[in-house]
Amino acid sequence: QSALTQPASVSGSPGQSITISCTGTSSDVGAYNYVSWYQQHPGKAPKLMIYDVDNRPSGVSDRFSGSKSGNTASLTIAGLQADDEADYYCSSYTGSNTLEGVFGGGTKLTVL
Amino acid sequence: EVQLLESGGGLVQSGGSLRLSCAASGFTFSDCTMGWVRQAPGKGLQWVSDIHRNGGRSSYADSVMGRFTISRDNSKDTLFLQMNSLRAEDTAVYYCARVVWGQIDNWGQGTLVTVSS
Repeated sequence: QSALTQPASVSGSPGQSITISCTGTSSDVGAYNYVSWYQQHPGKAPKLMIYDVDNRPSGVSDRFSGSKSGNTASLTIAGLQADDEADYYCSSYTGSNTLEGVFGGGTKLTVL
Repeated sequence: EVQLLESGGGLVQSGGSLRLSCAASGFTFSDCTMGWVRQAPGKGLQWVSDIHRNGGRSSYADSVMGRFTISRDNSKDTLFLQMNSLRAEDTAVYYCARVVWGQIDNWGQGTLVTVSS
């Protein structure tokens, strides 16, 4: 049940693009295309932003995109806006006989 | 519209018990794997437990194994988490979650559990 690895923090200026990485193993991120990303503002419940590596739920801006290469998934946010400042978490299906999913440690995005 | 409404959180002494409930609506509850995720103050998300749609298989984080029990009542569209032998480190907001292939497509608003030592 080891957590996925994310950078603790990233930052960018309005209008810029940033990318957050999420590194797992060949047993989770590398094995399945079931990687998701969540946005969490302070005091709020997380919100699904990306699922199945690169799919956006209805209502999520197309400024958010996801990708995966090997054991590492990535979330890219283009055209940064002030409201994008939040914590971001990745998760992956584990495919094991234990918990279905595992989270990353979270990344604090600061919009300068 | 999918809705997940948790209840049952509160303040409890170390060693005590609490039972969380999650009332689901807006979807076919019995078709879905459900789970509980928690977030300690100032910390990240932790997957606590999940249960398959028919209740036939459930899983737990190592940190709660043997103390927490997840269950569901598909006739009442309700998910439960029985928490025994609570410790200070169990203090967190507990979220009810609808799980799809290890991904959470819907979250409840969360219920706060505070364990005092």
